[in-house]
Amino acid sequence: AQTVTQSQPEMSVQEAETVTLSCTYDTSESDYYLFWYKQPPSRQMILVIRQEAYKQQNATENRFSVNFQKAAKSFSLKISDSQLGDAAMYFCAYRSDNYGQNFVFGPGTRLSVLP
Amino acid sequence: DTGVSQDPRHKITKRGQNVTFRCDPISEHNRLYWYRQTLGQGPEFLTYFQNEAQLEKSRLLSDRFSAERPKGSFSTLEIQRTEQGDSAMYLCASSLDRGFSGANVLTFGAGSRLTVL
Repeated sequence: AQTVTQSQPEMSVQEAETVTLSCTYDTSESDYYLFWYKQPPSRQMILVIRQEAYKQQNATENRFSVNFQKAAKSFSLKISDSQLGDAAMYFCAYRSDNYGQNFVFGPGTRLSVLP
Repeated sequence: DTGVSQDPRHKITKRGQNVTFRCDPISEHNRLYWYRQTLGQGPEFLTYFQNEAQLEKSRLLSDRFSAERPKGSFSTLEIQRTEQGDSAMYLCASSLDRGFSGANVLTFGAGSRLTVL
């Protein structure tokens, strides 16, 4: 079974600075998808960014970008120009490309943004 | 469309009682997922539906748990004879799966928080 690990339970960053959240995963498959979800305090989870494993180019969404290292099974999230609204729990998630597979989430990293 | 709706948002019950949660997905989404999340942890998969068919169930889904999605629209998650260990946030998510390789994306509801006394 696939597993997702986030080794940083908590991180903090100064407003306007850059922070990187780590994620590693374990799989024997070659085709899959990776996601970062954000869960603000007492609010619902929303998608931040996604990456298809067959794409070598790292995904980017405005201030959010990923560093996808397929051989190392690593999928880190970089947040540039951090804003107070970025404070949240961040979850890394994996989904197999095999039809019928569910999403597997990591334990999360709590990000604090300091003014 | 107002997104994924879950009801109730909060439920406090006594041990041994039955509870039922409802999820209304985004109308055009054919997949519906239930997850459980305890404080400070990531969501744990419980089950998911493709239209009205329940395609996968986690080992976490004991015999006291049952989920339905009649007619492929809304879904209910019932927990019978609740235990204190059932206290958690129950998250519903939906997605549009087109039946071919592609990254369907989960849209989550706000969750239903269960407290078992």
